[in-house]
Amino acid sequence: QVQLVQSGAEVKKPGASVKVSCKASGYTFTSFSFTWVRQAPGQGLEWMGWISPYNDRTNYAQKFQGRVTMTTDTSTETAYMELRSLRSDDTAVYYCARVVTGYYRGDYWGQGTLVTVSS
Amino acid sequence: QSVLTQPPSVSGAPGQRVTISCTGSSSNIGAAYDVHWYQQLPGAAPKLLIYGNDNRPSGVPDRFSGSKSGTSASLAITGLQAEDEADYYCQSYDSSLSAWVFGGGTKLTVL
Repeated sequence: QVQLVQSGAEVKKPGASVKVSCKASGYTFTSFSFTWVRQAPGQGLEWMGWISPYNDRTNYAQKFQGRVTMTTDTSTETAYMELRSLRSDDTAVYYCARVVTGYYRGDYWGQGTLVTVSS
Repeated sequence: QSVLTQPPSVSGAPGQRVTISCTGSSSNIGAAYDVHWYQQLPGAAPKLLIYGNDNRPSGVPDRFSGSKSGTSASLAITGLQAEDEADYYCQSYDSSLSAWVFGGGTKLTVL
């Protein structure tokens, strides 16, 4: 069965970076893309960007351009999202989701990773 | 402000039918991009509930249905059950932003 398992919670200071991982299993890794979505406490869902493990093509939301990098490692079937220059308003749960190639939807989601930014 | 507009909350008694609207524009829903719906139970990750406007993934009860017309879409839930109490989000793609867009979410309360 398809599973996306994310790394554990992180606490970071303002200005630092965080890298969240998303380990995939149960399907052919390069046949699907990944998207990353975050949710601030008590708020809605916010799309951050998308990456294809097949060709490393990415598309980042304009809000995060220059501050986010999404990568994949086909040898470990893991996707990564790194966010730099963290601010307090980056405190959120970060989700990875599998994307059916050619379709703009996440059909399986990771359990989420809480990133807390606090001095 | 979210690009897609949803009511903040809806409620209904067990067994009743409720609908949740999702209003977009000519650069997303009106541009023929599909609308998808996610259910987020308290403390859990979102789960795909409806995809491609009106399709249910395997395992989703047929009490849930979706529709789309013009620049809007709707999620209908019939035979409300206590376990349907959750947040519901619509999502599409916006060609002007070249980005996925979400509604602000709707909290469903089962009375």
